[in-house]
Amino acid sequence: SQQGEEDPQALSIQEGENATMNCSYKTSINNLQWYRQNSGRGLVHLILIRSNEREKHSGRLRVTLDTSKKSSSLLITASRAADTASYFCATAYGGSQGNLIFGKGTKLSVKP
Amino acid sequence: EADIYQTPRYLVIGTGKKITLECSQTMGHDKMYWYQQDPGMELHLIHYSYGVNSTEKGDLSSESTVSRIRTEHFPLTLESARPSHTSQYLCASSRPLAGGYNEQFFGPGTRLTVL
Repeated sequence: SQQGEEDPQALSIQEGENATMNCSYKTSINNLQWYRQNSGRGLVHLILIRSNEREKHSGRLRVTLDTSKKSSSLLITASRAADTASYFCATAYGGSQGNLIFGKGTKLSVKP
Repeated sequence: EADIYQTPRYLVIGTGKKITLECSQTMGHDKMYWYQQDPGMELHLIHYSYGVNSTEKGDLSSESTVSRIRTEHFPLTLESARPSHTSQYLCASSRPLAGGYNEQFFGPGTRLTVL
């Protein structure tokens, strides 16, 4: 059964604006990860947040996790045209050897 | 870019053909995965492996089979391709992070079209 559901499905913004994507999941998780996929390519790992963490930063990325609401958000600040891609959240369960369940993704378009 | 490779990148074949999608990684990762992804949709795990001689079925039932004879190699085979197998197939491997968490590295994918 699918864990992650991203919202919105598609987002179009201007360069320099911030982009916020949300992810909701259904059951308890070990950690939550965000990945980026450029058109027709594989996924690239962006950031991981553990179930006991509430916020994490990496460069222009900020991820929050609210386990009581079973939701996470990914904020990209000062977006660039090169940020245009699909962004997926993935929830991990079953311990350190556990698999990931991916959501349907948010398609972000950043216009120059 | 991760050191994980998939060939071919694109494949167009006729119904009934046997095909093998290749996946290799040079990172020495034990765990490897195959995902199926339709355009604009989520990834579905179809096979994974904990290491040599280990293969497990994923969450999505698939008519494909996999083998893991060497750590670096995880090929996927379809004995008789059908149009319903048309999709993108993504291979990944993972390394354990500090604290026991896994980060996955993905290949570029094989886009399969069965006519």
